[in-house]
Amino acid sequence: KQEVTQIPAALSVPEGENLVLNCSFTDSAIYNLQWFRQDPGKGLTSLLLIQSSQREQTSGRLNASLDKSSGRSTLYIAASQPGDSATYLCAVPYMDSNYQLIWGAGTKLIIKP
Amino acid sequence: GAVVSQHPSRVICKSGTSVKIECRSLDFQATTMFWYRQFPKQSLMLMATSNEGSKATYEQGVEKDKFLINHASLTLSTLTVTSAHPEDSSFYICSARDEAGASNQPQHFGDGTRLSIL
Repeated sequence: KQEVTQIPAALSVPEGENLVLNCSFTDSAIYNLQWFRQDPGKGLTSLLLIQSSQREQTSGRLNASLDKSSGRSTLYIAASQPGDSATYLCAVPYMDSNYQLIWGAGTKLIIKP
Repeated sequence: GAVVSQHPSRVICKSGTSVKIECRSLDFQATTMFWYRQFPKQSLMLMATSNEGSKATYEQGVEKDKFLINHASLTLSTLTVTSAHPEDSSFYICSARDEAGASNQPQHFGDGTRLSIL
């Protein structure tokens, strides 16, 4: 059974720092891995999706990597800003059904001005 | 890009009221949509998988008579919380996957509905 874990659960860093969020999964047979952002009381925003055949994806200051063999993905945020404060979630599709997602518990990120 | 529209964004109503939440895929067709529930400071929990033209598939512990799902078209799924009570107060989010083209498309999410039952 696939399980997704995110460490740390919370992270607080000063503005301007580069940081890494971690996501691990127990079953390496995944279609893809997706990173989301959720602001308090809001819905989810998809940040990056990495296909199983890819090693990384980049969007602006965000870079997501995928290492299937070790069951890990990282989300790298460069030059963090207060506006990056949110909860970041990773998820992988459950392969035996209609692509329903299996979620990590999220990392709550606070960027201090 | 693909957009999922969810309405209403906020509902406050009295106990015993039934509440309908709509989830629409605006520029793509989705034979499958998903409904999630999120309690404060917790991750999303899948409630059910909505299948166009057939019955929804509910996760264990989710009452199908309590949470009625209708997926009557390829762009619309509705979740009705029947006779809602304070314990049903939560944040409900829908998602849909653009199934055209490659099989590895991401899921797109609505903005969520915050339901508060007094």
